[in-house]
Amino acid sequence: GQQVMQIPQYQHVQEGEDFTTYCNSSTTLSNIQWYKQRPGGHPVFLIQLVKSGEVKKQKRLTFQFGEAKKNSSLHITATQTTDVGTYFCAGGTSYGKLTFGQGTILTVHP
Amino acid sequence: DGGITQSPKYLFRKEGQNVTLSCEQNLNHDAMYWYRQDPGQGLRLIYYSQIVNDFQKGDIAEGYSVSREKKESFPLTVTSAQKNPTAFYLCASRSVGDHYGYTFGSGTRLTVV
Repeated sequence: GQQVMQIPQYQHVQEGEDFTTYCNSSTTLSNIQWYKQRPGGHPVFLIQLVKSGEVKKQKRLTFQFGEAKKNSSLHITATQTTDVGTYFCAGGTSYGKLTFGQGTILTVHP
Repeated sequence: DGGITQSPKYLFRKEGQNVTLSCEQNLNHDAMYWYRQDPGQGLRLIYYSQIVNDFQKGDIAEGYSVSREKKESFPLTVTSAQKNPTAFYLCASRSVGDHYGYTFGSGTRLTVV
């Protein structure tokens, strides 16, 4: 079945440093979604990418979808303590099923 | 305000007992999902339903059952056949064709004692 791998599993940064998490799928995706889960909370939808090579920005967050639609990345510029949490990618297929990556746990030290 | 309500927030169960987790949404979403979250393993799909009175098994359906008698409700029963039920359970919904992703409930943390 479809597998979505996400790395790294953990990332510790100093406040102000950049952060990137990567997502790779075993199959071509119809779309990729990104979610953020704060400690003790539930996942919250951030964004969806659909087009090959697509790049979207939300303030300090930059999301990319690979040309082959099998990989994606999330980059945060100048991290803040409010960025702490687990970031999940989720690969979507044409029949609507999402497969989540294992997530990257981000810790930001002030 | 529209949203998804999961109850209870914490649940303790004795081994050998069935337990039902509630999930209600007032977002008028067609599709509903149940995920299980364990540390380091992300979210794994248990069951999903695209329309009322229809549902499909996800990747880890063994030991679980669901029903979808109403659009708003998608309860999950954790049966005694589930070998390792202690986990964080998340319910989600979305509107078919929606490009805004899943809306998640706040989750139920089940502990078997």
